[in-house]
Amino acid sequence: EDQVTQSPEALRLQEGESSSLNCSYTVSGLRGLFWYRQDPGKGPEFLFTLYSAGEEKEKERLKATLTKKESFLHITAPKPEDSATYLCAVQAGRGSTLGRLYFGRGTQLTVWP
Amino acid sequence: NAGVTQTPKFQVLKTGQSMTLQCAQDMNHNSMYWYRQDPGMGLRLIYYSASEGTTDKGEVPNGYNVSRLNKREFSLRLESAAPSQTSVYFCASVQGGYYGYTFGSGTRLTVV
Repeated sequence: EDQVTQSPEALRLQEGESSSLNCSYTVSGLRGLFWYRQDPGKGPEFLFTLYSAGEEKEKERLKATLTKKESFLHITAPKPEDSATYLCAVQAGRGSTLGRLYFGRGTQLTVWP
Repeated sequence: NAGVTQTPKFQVLKTGQSMTLQCAQDMNHNSMYWYRQDPGMGLRLIYYSASEGTTDKGEVPNGYNVSRLNKREFSLRLESAAPSQTSVYFCASVQGGYYGYTFGSGTRLTVV
């Protein structure tokens, strides 16, 4: 069974304190790994898609990386506005419905001034 | 603004009542999805529609039905609501299999 595990469940950082969020996965033929940001009371907002091991994507203070077993979302010098829940999702290949995503439970990030 | 629109935003139902959650997208996307989000459970797929005229069950379809009315609209119906269906429901759409979903802002449903 395809599975996505995110850690930690919650993370508190001081403004400027860099850290990483982890997403480990077990799927039958990864087609893509997706990162989303979700603010309270809102729907998830798409951040990145990674397709193959070694790939990296960046957006402002966020950088996503991918290996064959996990992905990291690195947050450099975070600001309070980076506080949100970050969701990881994978799209499997063999035996799965085209387009379907399997989501992890998320990491709730709080950045305090 | 282009995107996914869900209605209503909030709803309280009594056990046994029925209702339909509406979802519409204006991005000409082929595929549409209904997820529910519960604390500590993550997003779970209820039903999806890979293209207009097709629908299929996801992980947690029991107690729900869907209709892909046209390419834009995908509705979710609760025929007889139960307290276990208290959740936040999200609709999403995507053009093709390799792109990120666009999510709506959600419907917060409470069944008492």
